Amino acid sequence: NAGVTQTPKFRVLKTGQSMTLLCAQDMNHEYMYWYRQDPGMGLRLIHYSVGEGTTAKGEVPDGYNVSRLKKQNFLLGLESAAPSQTSVYFCASTGTGVTEAFFGQGTRLTVV
Amino acid sequence: KNQVEQSPQSLIILEGKNCTLQCNYTVSPFSNLRWYKQDTGRGPVSLTIMTFSENTKSNGRYTATLDADTKQSSLHITASQLSDSASYICVVSSQSGTYKYIFGTGTRLKVLA
Repeated sequence: NAGVTQTPKFRVLKTGQSMTLLCAQDMNHEYMYWYRQDPGMGLRLIHYSVGEGTTAKGEVPDGYNVSRLKKQNFLLGLESAAPSQTSVYFCASTGTGVTEAFFGQGTRLTVV
Repeated sequence: KNQVEQSPQSLIILEGKNCTLQCNYTVSPFSNLRWYKQDTGRGPVSLTIMTFSENTKSNGRYTATLDADTKQSSLHITASQLSDSASYICVVSSQSGTYKYIFGTGTRLKVLA
């Protein structure tokens, strides 16, 4: 049982490059989330999805896009990376109701 | 403004000792409060989830308490072990099943032998 899997685990980008982070969950969860974690700050929500084919903006959505074409996958895209997007990115998923949220292992992204 | 504040920011204790971490929140309307453990370089892992009607919940050596009237929660760790060294994050949800999780900045705990 893999839970939530993120790929890649590490990446270094040059300013202006693009990339896609993949999140996959095998728990049939409806809700999926992308967060970023920066030193001295709590996790901040970038985008989220309440089901297949749906996405919505979170607290810090600028510079990111997402897609949820399949229920088990949630993709986070950076079209033109900026140094301010250097961070650790976490994906999470939950079922409906007051249930446990499961997090991936994180992707450490550095934009130079 | 919905906020979650944790104290202390960091804590160092000796192995075998107990400790208590604090969480104060101003999130409204309240749905549930969660404590997570995050090891360095890893994703957060759930320890406890408490709803409005729950005052205490245990998970092994971890015991969380909730006072919904004063909007305070605590996480008590009993007989600490080296493996307890991690960040502990308090998260408050204002609505069940939506994105509205507000994260604290965490307490970094170091357990020394």
